[in-house]
Amino acid sequence: DVVMTQSPLSLPVTLGQPASISCRSSQSLVHSDGNTYLNWFQQRPGQSPRRLIYKISNRDSGVPDRFSGSGSGTDFTLKISRVEAEDVGIYYCMQATHWPLTFGGGTKVEIK
Amino acid sequence: EVQLVESGGGLVQPGGSLRLSCAASGFTFSNYNMNWVRQAPGKGLEWISYISGSGVTVYADSVKGRFTISRDNAKNSLSLQMNSLRDEDTAVYHCTRGRADFDYWGQGTLVTVSS
Repeated sequence: DVVMTQSPLSLPVTLGQPASISCRSSQSLVHSDGNTYLNWFQQRPGQSPRRLIYKISNRDSGVPDRFSGSGSGTDFTLKISRVEAEDVGIYYCMQATHWPLTFGGGTKVEIK
Repeated sequence: EVQLVESGGGLVQPGGSLRLSCAASGFTFSNYNMNWVRQAPGKGLEWISYISGSGVTVYADSVKGRFTISRDNAKNSLSLQMNSLRDEDTAVYHCTRGRADFDYWGQGTLVTVSS
């Protein structure tokens, strides 16, 4: 199985400051079709997960442009350019290239 | 508007069975692959099962042989038959759309396995 390793586990951030979450996979996420199926999700307290980013860097409709995704191969990053109070929650990366599909363990973003 | 609404959760004893449903609306259900993802209390997300629009299925090892995913395209409905339930199956179960998309999620239904 592809292991998705996120860091840090917890990320205290000052409002207005940037935040960065790393996600590393145990093998390349490049699919045979040429796509890299790496998604990022946000889960606010008490809510279902919401997709923010798909295929490494494509932002979903309605997602603020302060969120951005980057990376390639086995190394990926989610960045928040200026953290706002509504960004508090747990962030998960997920690979959908290889079966079984797997999620990272999550990174908890909180306000200092 | 795309909507996914799960139902069927509840309290069940170890070894028991439960059937979850997911009612889909706002999109052409038969055109989309679907998944079940679960989240144990205070834990992360775990993908457990996938079904293509035509009925091809894939399972996580943790549920293989015990859970069965199915769909009824005429009724825009996704199901998960869960047998031989264990304590560790206690979780909120979400249905979600797409082979790799996971772009829409239901609110989830809680399954508690306990004696």
